[in-house]
Amino acid sequence: SSELTQDPAVSVALGQTVRITCQGDSLRRYYASWYQQKPGQAPVLVFSGKNNRPSGIPDRFSGSSSGSTASLTITGAQAEDEADYYCSSRDSSGTDVVFGGGTKLTVL
Amino acid sequence: QVQLVQSGAEVKKPGASVKVSCKASGYTFTAHGISWVRQSPRQGLEWMGWISTYSGDTNYAQKFQGRVTMTTDTSTSTAYMELRSLRSDDTAVYYCARDLDGSGVFHYWGQGALVTVSS
Repeated sequence: SSELTQDPAVSVALGQTVRITCQGDSLRRYYASWYQQKPGQAPVLVFSGKNNRPSGIPDRFSGSSSGSTASLTITGAQAEDEADYYCSSRDSSGTDVVFGGGTKLTVL
Repeated sequence: QVQLVQSGAEVKKPGASVKVSCKASGYTFTAHGISWVRQSPRQGLEWMGWISTYSGDTNYAQKFQGRVTMTTDTSTSTAYMELRSLRSDDTAVYYCARDLDGSGVFHYWGQGALVTVSS
């Protein structure tokens, strides 16, 4: 079982803002990383740490954290953002990396 | 550009071992570590461990301790992951990912290698 919990599915209207959340005790101590995965493809890093967006990732993707919850916000969601999103971080002991169960984002 | 190219799909019987390779290009191999992550419909994404391509030091996930070995060949910029005593629930897509220092931030991923364990 994962130490990071995500909502299984979220939907957003085209052009609107959506927040995808990730909950876990270890997030009080460690930052989350966020990955986008489309069918049949490897995951792609879209945000990490306090404020790190890899080159090539649109600035509509942003991350934040408060207490035991990390969030990925997509401001002005596009059709191409429809995908599965996974958070990851260290586990409570700090030794292993753990992933959330993933959130399937549907853009309506 | 950074590329991680993995070996192809494998079919193994229960109890066997599998060794997946990951050939890196487009950057200095020893400047970034490699993590291995697997994905199955039942277990989702699972981190298996990390290897320093500079020193060979490893950090294996507790779940895989004793059953996994990660190695590198710096002469060919290739990382390897061997998993032993395979079970049906080891059926998954296995990814390598560039991970600077084992912190679990995976900037680049291989294309994945499907390993099927079936009798």
